[in-house]
Amino acid sequence: GAVVSQHPSWVICKSGTSVKIECRSLDFQATTMFWYRQFPKQSLMLMATSNEGSKATYEQGVEKDKFLINHASLTLSTLTVTSAHPEDSSFYICSARGREGYGYTFGSGTRLTVV
Amino acid sequence: AQSVSQHNHHVILSEAASLELGCNYSYGGTVNLFWYVQYPGQHLQLLLKYFSGDPLVKGIKGFEAEFIKSKFSFNLRKPSVQWSDTAEYFCAVSLMDSSYKLIFGSGTRLLVRP
Repeated sequence: GAVVSQHPSWVICKSGTSVKIECRSLDFQATTMFWYRQFPKQSLMLMATSNEGSKATYEQGVEKDKFLINHASLTLSTLTVTSAHPEDSSFYICSARGREGYGYTFGSGTRLTVV
Repeated sequence: AQSVSQHNHHVILSEAASLELGCNYSYGGTVNLFWYVQYPGQHLQLLLKYFSGDPLVKGIKGFEAEFIKSKFSFNLRKPSVQWSDTAEYFCAVSLMDSSYKLIFGSGTRLLVRP
């Protein structure tokens, strides 16, 4: 079945540094990828939608200059948290949708802790 | 704006009790509907999905859901819960427009007492 690999699974960084999270579709072409963040005991909040080869579409309230999303190929999307601060600490999850089906495949998530 | 509402934030049941979790969405166009489960410390797992056809959908682990288009609802049911069903349940709706956004409800935390 469809698999999405997300790395790293966890990362601790110092305040002010940038962190890149990768999301790869391993056995299908992901025409659309979605990035979510989940705070403890809360739901998944959609941050942005990215289509291969085009700029990401950000949800209202999400800073596009802070959360840089690149979807350069049909199998890879990256989320870079720039100048991270403690309030950016969260669980980030990617999801990919392929051409053929209507299903969504989720990555295993990345727990970011900014100290 | 599109939204997904889950009315029950916390549900506590005893084993063998029946379960029904509500989910309503607001969107006038075509949607696909999903229920996901997140066990403590684990990742999202798909329980079931509705794309078209029979509005009564059966999923894994004895769960089922019914799509009632006129009510914009997609409630999740299970006739007899088990302790192992303790988890958080998320309803999600994908918009069948050019964005294919998948929007989640706020989640329902289910505790099943043995």
